[in-house]
Amino acid sequence: KQEVTQIPAALSVPEGENLVLNCSFTDSAIYNLQWFRQDPGKGLTSLLLIQSSQREQTSGRLNASLDKSSGRSTLYIAASQPGDSATYLCAVRADDYKLSFGAGTTVTVRA
Amino acid sequence: GAVVSQHPSWVICKSGTSVKIECRSLDFQATTMFWYRQFPKQSLMLMATSNEGSKATYEQGVEKDKFLINHASLTLSTLTVTSAHPEDSSFYICSREGLAKTDTQYFGPGTRLTVL
Repeated sequence: KQEVTQIPAALSVPEGENLVLNCSFTDSAIYNLQWFRQDPGKGLTSLLLIQSSQREQTSGRLNASLDKSSGRSTLYIAASQPGDSATYLCAVRADDYKLSFGAGTTVTVRA
Repeated sequence: GAVVSQHPSWVICKSGTSVKIECRSLDFQATTMFWYRQFPKQSLMLMATSNEGSKATYEQGVEKDKFLINHASLTLSTLTVTSAHPEDSSFYICSREGLAKTDTQYFGPGTRLTVL
């Protein structure tokens, strides 16, 4: 069974600082890995999707890396803003469409 | 814009009653949709895979007689929580498959269920 772990569980930084969020998974036989953003009481917004054959994806201030062999992914958010405050979820997809989620990292960016 | 909607966004009910949650795919006919449950400060747990025109596939430990799933059309899946109890209080989120296996899943905004 795939286990997904996200460290740290919570993170508080001053505005402008770079954020580093970590995700690890136990079974490297994944189809892809995704990072989502979840605001309190809301659904999920897809941020970045990395296919198993890729090493990284970038979108604006966000960059995500994937090291499938070691079971790790890192999400970098550059020059954080208060609007980046949210919970960030990592999810890995197996070959059968199913997603396994981590518990998330709750980020607070202080103005 | 949103591609998956859920209704209601929140519901409060008495213990022992049943509650139905709707999940609609707004832009795509989805043969497969998914139902997740999220407890506070915990990750999303897949409850079941909803298949249009056939029975849902439930994850281990999820009671299929308690969480009834119906996927009667290509744009609508419903989750009915039967004889709800306070421990069923949770955030329920649905999603639909992407256009390709390489695509992301698209998630609804979620339904907050509180059972008194």
